[in-house]
Amino acid sequence: DIQMTQSPSTLSASVGDRVTITCRASQSISSWLAWYQQKPGKAPNLLIYKASTLESGVPSRFSGSGSGTEFTLTISSLQPDDFATYFCQQYNTFSTFGQGTKVEIK
Amino acid sequence: EVQLVESGGGVVQPGGSLRLSCAASGFTFDDYAMHWVRQAPGKGLEWVSLVSGDATNTFYADSVKGRFTISRDDSKTSLYLQMNSLRTEDTALYYCAKSHDYGDFEPNDYWGQGTLVTVSS
Repeated sequence: DIQMTQSPSTLSASVGDRVTITCRASQSISSWLAWYQQKPGKAPNLLIYKASTLESGVPSRFSGSGSGTEFTLTISSLQPDDFATYFCQQYNTFSTFGQGTKVEIK
Repeated sequence: EVQLVESGGGVVQPGGSLRLSCAASGFTFDDYAMHWVRQAPGKGLEWVSLVSGDATNTFYADSVKGRFTISRDDSKTSLYLQMNSLRTEDTALYYCAKSHDYGDFEPNDYWGQGTLVTVSS
């Protein structure tokens, strides 16, 4: 099974900050990686797929990069609506999610 | 507008069974693989199962293999999850989710609101 490890687990930041979340796969997944945002009481929302492709309607302040085993999600300038939990997902072999990164207000 | 509406959750004793349903609308249902993903209270996401668009392939997480069965009825644009031999660790909010593209293992671009399954004596 492919394991996905996110870091950090919690991130404290302020509006306007540049934020980076890392996701590591236990083996190569090429670029078969997605990122989701989830707010309390809501279903996850797809942000990025194929490591760096922005889903339609997602603000351009979100970007993704990486391939193989190491990936990053970057929010260029954190907005109030961005305080949420973020999950990575590999879909190279079956599907596995990372444990999540909570972005909270500093 | 794509809509996914789950139902069938509830409280069940360990060893019991439950059948979840997901009613889909707003897209060509039989073009897409469909997934079940669950989230235990306060925890992360766990992929559970997938059925391909043509229903010829099904896949399961090791944690539910042999106990859960996924199926679909394209005439009713509905997805199902038959859950048998339930365990306390199956307690979670169960989401129905649509594949983003035409392959089997794809990210999920639309999700339902979830249906809560509680396994407790």
